[in-house]
Amino acid sequence: DSGVTQTPKHLITATGQRVTLRCSPRSGDLSVYWYQQSLDQGLQFLIQYYNGEERAKGNILERFSAQQFPDLHSELNLSSLELGDSALYFCASSVTSTGTDTQYFGPGTRLTVL
Amino acid sequence: GENVEQHPSTLSVQEGDSAVIKCTYSDSASNYFPWYKQELGKRPQLIIDIRSNVGEKKDQRIAVTLNKTAKHFSLHITETQPEDSAVYFCAASRDRGGSYIPTFGRGTSLIVHP
Repeated sequence: DSGVTQTPKHLITATGQRVTLRCSPRSGDLSVYWYQQSLDQGLQFLIQYYNGEERAKGNILERFSAQQFPDLHSELNLSSLELGDSALYFCASSVTSTGTDTQYFGPGTRLTVL
Repeated sequence: GENVEQHPSTLSVQEGDSAVIKCTYSDSASNYFPWYKQELGKRPQLIIDIRSNVGEKKDQRIAVTLNKTAKHFSLHITETQPEDSAVYFCAASRDRGGSYIPTFGRGTSLIVHP
């Protein structure tokens, strides 16, 4: 157990819908990273937040957004869902903002878009 | 942007043999290279990392080597055990305004036969 929690574990929804994935980092970690893992694209970095502020952006679609709240938990919002958005979404947390300290991954949320 | 190629996609070895996974990267400015292990149905876990100012790093049965000139790095696992069976991902990253954003290889499925 990494200490990072993600909810829900599984999510099944329809095309065009909107969902919110939630992540709670390890105690003391200020950075939260979101990743998407799919068979097509592999593992991809989406976005990083550090202490409430967006820090870095990767291949995140405009239909996706995220935020980090004052208690440091983070939410990833996916809207106008398409079949291709079906994937495993991981968040990870680390102490610093650099990304070169160990990132601890959560168990992931499996999103299925029908 | 950065492109990371990882080979082989599947590697099958006998218990006790060595396993080598190779990655090449395209961005000569990349200077941080983590390796992750992902067991079936589980989260990725950092197993070792190397920075560009070091040519080799070892941690018990695992070692990583880096050739900056050729822009490739490799993971070496000696005395493989069945519990080493997993998918291994390499990543290359560089400092982008204070954050290291990883680009991942497509993964190598390592199977260790007892």
